[in-house]
Amino acid sequence: NAGVTQTPKFRVLKTGQSMTLLCAQDMNHEYMYWYRQDPGMGLRLIHYSVGEGTTAKGEVPDGYNVSRLKKQNFLLGLESAAPSQTSVYFCASSYWSSGELFFGEGSRLTVL
Amino acid sequence: AQTVTQSQPEMSVQEAETVTLSCTYDTSENNYYLFWYKQPPSRQMILVIRQEAYKQQNATENRFSVNFQKAAKSFSLKISDSQLGDTAMYFCAFMNPPNFGNEKLTFGTGTRLTIIP
Repeated sequence: NAGVTQTPKFRVLKTGQSMTLLCAQDMNHEYMYWYRQDPGMGLRLIHYSVGEGTTAKGEVPDGYNVSRLKKQNFLLGLESAAPSQTSVYFCASSYWSSGELFFGEGSRLTVL
Repeated sequence: AQTVTQSQPEMSVQEAETVTLSCTYDTSENNYYLFWYKQPPSRQMILVIRQEAYKQQNATENRFSVNFQKAAKSFSLKISDSQLGDTAMYFCAFMNPPNFGNEKLTFGTGTRLTIIP
C-alpha cells in the first residue's frame, strides 16, 4: 500500500501565483489533515476534514482553501501565494479520531 | 486553547545510553490523549507512543516509555538503550477526546535528538 501520498514534493512559486497540493490516501480513512511545519514552530494545523464533503479550519487557515470531494483525496489550495507561505506542508490521515495519524512525506514549497 | 511545550530544542546522547525528552501541556480537560511522534531525517512522521489520560499506567512500547504526571501536566518520553536509528525530531502532541468537529492534534515545537556513535 502507498499510504499517504503528496504531490508535488517540491515547488517554487512567485508571489501571487496559485497552486494546489494533492493528498491521496488508500487506507479508507475518514479523517484528513493539512499541517505546515516551520523551524522552531512545530506543526500547525491549516485545515482538516472529518469526512467526504466536509472541511474545517485549523489553527492557521488564512490564505489557504481546501476541498474533500472524494474520500481518498484532500486538496490544499493557495490562491495567491505569499512569501510567508514558504514552508513544508504535510498531509495526514486517520481512521477515526484515534490520534494515530499517518503522514505523507511532505511537500516543500518556496514562494519568492 | 490547549498548548504543548517542549523546552529542549536539541539533545544528544551516546549510543546505548538512556535519554529523556520533556513535554508539558496546558488544558482544562480531564480526559484527553497524549502522543509522541518521531520524524526521522527522511521526514515521514510516525507515531511512537500514545497515552490516554484516564489510564494511570504509563504506556510502554519496547525501548520507549513515558512518564505521565497528570497533576503536573507533564508527559516525558524515555528512550532506553538508544540506537543510531533513534536520531530524529520528536514531537509531543495533545488531543481532546473524540467529539465531532474537534478531532485534531496540537503539536509541540519538537526536540531534535542526535544519537552519537
